[in-house]
Amino acid sequence: AQTVTQSQPEMSVQEAETVTLSCTYDTSESDYYLFWYKQPPSRQMILVIRQEAYKQQNATENRFSVNFQKAAKSFSLKISDSQLGDAAMYFCAYRSSGGATNKLIFGTGTLLAVQP
Amino acid sequence: DTGVSQDPRHKITKRGQNVTFRCDPISEHNRLYWYRQTLGQGPEFLTYFQNEAQLEKSRLLSDRFSAERPKGSFSTLEIQRTEQGDSAMYLCASSFTGGRGGNTIYFGEGSWLTVV
Repeated sequence: AQTVTQSQPEMSVQEAETVTLSCTYDTSESDYYLFWYKQPPSRQMILVIRQEAYKQQNATENRFSVNFQKAAKSFSLKISDSQLGDAAMYFCAYRSSGGATNKLIFGTGTLLAVQP
Repeated sequence: DTGVSQDPRHKITKRGQNVTFRCDPISEHNRLYWYRQTLGQGPEFLTYFQNEAQLEKSRLLSDRFSAERPKGSFSTLEIQRTEQGDSAMYLCASSFTGGRGGNTIYFGEGSWLTVV
């Protein structure tokens, strides 16, 4: 079974600085998707960024980028120029690419605080 | 398009009572998912539908839980004979297979259940 591990329960960053959130996963599959979701205090889960495992190029979405290391099964999220609105719980998630299952498997999350 | 809508947002019920949650997915989304999230944890998959067919159920979904999606649009999640351990947030999500975006899953704001 696939698992997702986020080893940083909490992180803090100064406004305008850069922070990296860690995520590792375990799978025997070769094709899959990885995601970072943000859950602000309002509790709605918002997709931040996604990565297809077959793509070597790291995904980027404005201030958010990932460092995808397939061999190491590592998928970290870098937030550049941090803003107060980035404060939230961040979840790393895995989904198989094919087959019958469509479920997302989440890590336990990292609570990010942004200091003004 | 108003996103995934869930109702009620909060529910307090006495142990042993039945509760029902409703989810309206994003229109045209053919897949609908239910997750459960407890404080300090990532969401855990419960079940998902493709159109009106329930294609996968987690072992977390005991016999007291039933989900339906009768016309392939909205869905209901019913919990019978609630127990204190059922206290959690129940998240609904939806996605569309095909097209650009590759089955990205969008979440609702969740329904908080407190069993007293």
